[in-house]
Amino acid sequence: EVQLVESGGVVVQPGGSLRLSCAASGFTFDDYTMHWVRQAPGKGLEWVSLISWDGGSTYYADSVKGRFTISRDNSKNSLYLQMNSLRTEDTALYYCAKEYKYLDSGYYFDYWGQGTLVTVSS
Amino acid sequence: DIQMTQSPSSLSASVGDRVTITCRASQSISSYLNWYQQKPGKAPKLLIYAASSLQSGVPSRFSGSGSGTDFTLTISSLQPEDFATYYCQQSYTPFTFGPGTKVDIK
Repeated sequence: EVQLVESGGVVVQPGGSLRLSCAASGFTFDDYTMHWVRQAPGKGLEWVSLISWDGGSTYYADSVKGRFTISRDNSKNSLYLQMNSLRTEDTALYYCAKEYKYLDSGYYFDYWGQGTLVTVSS
Repeated sequence: DIQMTQSPSSLSASVGDRVTITCRASQSISSYLNWYQQKPGKAPKLLIYAASSLQSGVPSRFSGSGSGTDFTLTISSLQPEDFATYYCQQSYTPFTFGPGTKVDIK
């Protein structure tokens, strides 16, 4: 059974830093691109970042570029999100999600974790 | 960046109703369009991928259509468990979500 378990969400002051983790199991972790998606309280879904299977390619939403860094440790089946210079608007439930690729260039998220809550507040 | 819009933002419907939700992309995304369902306190669940392909295990009352910039999610006969928020997502580049459509009980 595929499981994604996020951790690391806490209350942090504006300007602070935080590292989120996502522990993966039930599939061959280093075969898949992984993503972070967030959802502010009562709001919609926002894609945040992705990392390729080997960590060689990373992409970020404009809203977090230069402040967040995605990484992975395939030996530990783990995904990370280093969040620096946090702002109140970064307050959200952060999900990790597994990507599934179909045909040549189609993608969707087939598994999601339950999320970890990050609150940025003074 | 590709922007996604959805309409309506919310709707009220009754069990048994046919429900249609529209999603529009700011530029052509071919058929790289997915639909997710999210219930309160739960992670999103994939319903439709590639605009019209039903994900395994999803009831056949859900269907998707469209290509290019205009897409539709249809629930042929709304069931009690279908009251939720629905999001479209483009996977052309990179992975923008629509703002969501909340379906609640009339």
